[in-house]
Amino acid sequence: GAGVSQTPSNKVTEKGKYVELRCDPISGHTALYWYRQSLGQGPEFLIYFQGTGAADDSGLPNDRFFAVRPEGSVSTLKIQRTERGDSAVYLCASSLGRYNEQFFGPGTRLTVL
Amino acid sequence: QKEVEQNSGPLSVPEGAIASLNCTYSDRGSQSFFWYRQYSGKSPELIMFIYSNGDKEDGRFTAQLNKASQYVSLLIRDSQPSDSATYLCAVIGGASKIIFGSGTRLSIRP
Repeated sequence: GAGVSQTPSNKVTEKGKYVELRCDPISGHTALYWYRQSLGQGPEFLIYFQGTGAADDSGLPNDRFFAVRPEGSVSTLKIQRTERGDSAVYLCASSLGRYNEQFFGPGTRLTVL
Repeated sequence: QKEVEQNSGPLSVPEGAIASLNCTYSDRGSQSFFWYRQYSGKSPELIMFIYSNGDKEDGRFTAQLNKASQYVSLLIRDSQPSDSATYLCAVIGGASKIIFGSGTRLSIRP
């Protein structure tokens, strides 16, 4: 069956630009997560959706980051006024529920020049 | 103190031996514990999950959980070169927040 997919796989942008990263979870998974991973570090939690609503957005670093999941399936992570420090791999994961195992997508490597 | 701590390694183990990976966590209310394997340049892949104290075995992998001592470990028996990767410990704490450790790099030498 299809796993979690993410697009684009790579995104290079200039400082100050706006970017959107997309995640398509496993069908039937109601829980969806966004993480950011820097080299040599574990994934850093950003936001968790249960259905259409953001159940926990405490990991978003500042108000430049925003995510939506309007129909409870595909999610988009939006970053405004990108900064060089935003460069990282952005991972999406989905699961059946909050306490269940999460399955990760291949990630989007974001580079801000 | 980090919420989830792992030795960064690298941990070098001869092929065929047992690799032992450890993880400690600070939140006593933690409920769910996961081990992920991550190859360089790839996304994390679930290896094991454990919710209750004791051992859980799956093939060559055994997860061990001790909530009183707040540690969870992963044993890999008959280590293979393909086991060489970074192993991430993840914990869902009492506030239902999932936290990953920084990972332990494991190298299996032929």
